[in-house]
Amino acid sequence: RKEVEQDPGPFNVPEGATVAFNCTYSNSASQSFFWYRQDCRKEPKLLMSVYSSGNEDGRFTAQLNRASQYISLLIRDSKLSDSATYLCVVTPRGDKLIFGTGTRLQVFP
Amino acid sequence: EAQVTQNPRYLITVTGKKLTVTCSQNMNHEYMSWYRQDPGLGLRQIYYSMNVEVTDKGDVPEGYKVSRKEKRNFPLILESPSPNQTSLYFCASSFSPGRTQYFGPGTRLTVL
Repeated sequence: RKEVEQDPGPFNVPEGATVAFNCTYSNSASQSFFWYRQDCRKEPKLLMSVYSSGNEDGRFTAQLNRASQYISLLIRDSKLSDSATYLCVVTPRGDKLIFGTGTRLQVFP
Repeated sequence: EAQVTQNPRYLITVTGKKLTVTCSQNMNHEYMSWYRQDPGLGLRQIYYSMNVEVTDKGDVPEGYKVSRKEKRNFPLILESPSPNQTSLYFCASSFSPGRTQYFGPGTRLTVL
């Protein structure tokens, strides 16, 4: 089983739609969780950290479920500019980072 | 401007010819790491460094070497490149693994 798993998609959604991605992780001792965004073969950039209590940044909401070992990302009111690949990142120990393979989102007019 | 730079951005080379990809950051970050990205496999960590003179293997270290003699620089060395090392490489830095990772623009390497 992979340490971090994501549905590769693509998720094709119309503008204005709400879309949600999940990411499961295998190491219950994992400490930190993040969502990164990557545009076509460019460098990944932090979208948001994921906190135990859940957190929101504008149209984006991230949640962590430690009991079921997954994190989620919800995007409301999708924009064309949200089209990208969303990478889930987990630190299974304090020093390494494990990236999921990414979920591709395509928002159409 | 705070940034991570990598050089070269593109490189085509032949099997067995030693090469170095440089990575430099100007944010005084302790933690630096190298990744390779391949279709269907995502980003995989090659090596990381918690601080100067402290390096450790990531998930795919075979065929690579690194050094961390100065805080700002973390070069990736391929002593004898092979075609299976053809990939997109990213360097990243941060204050710690649990903090925001800042990535360089990537190096596209082709080994013939």
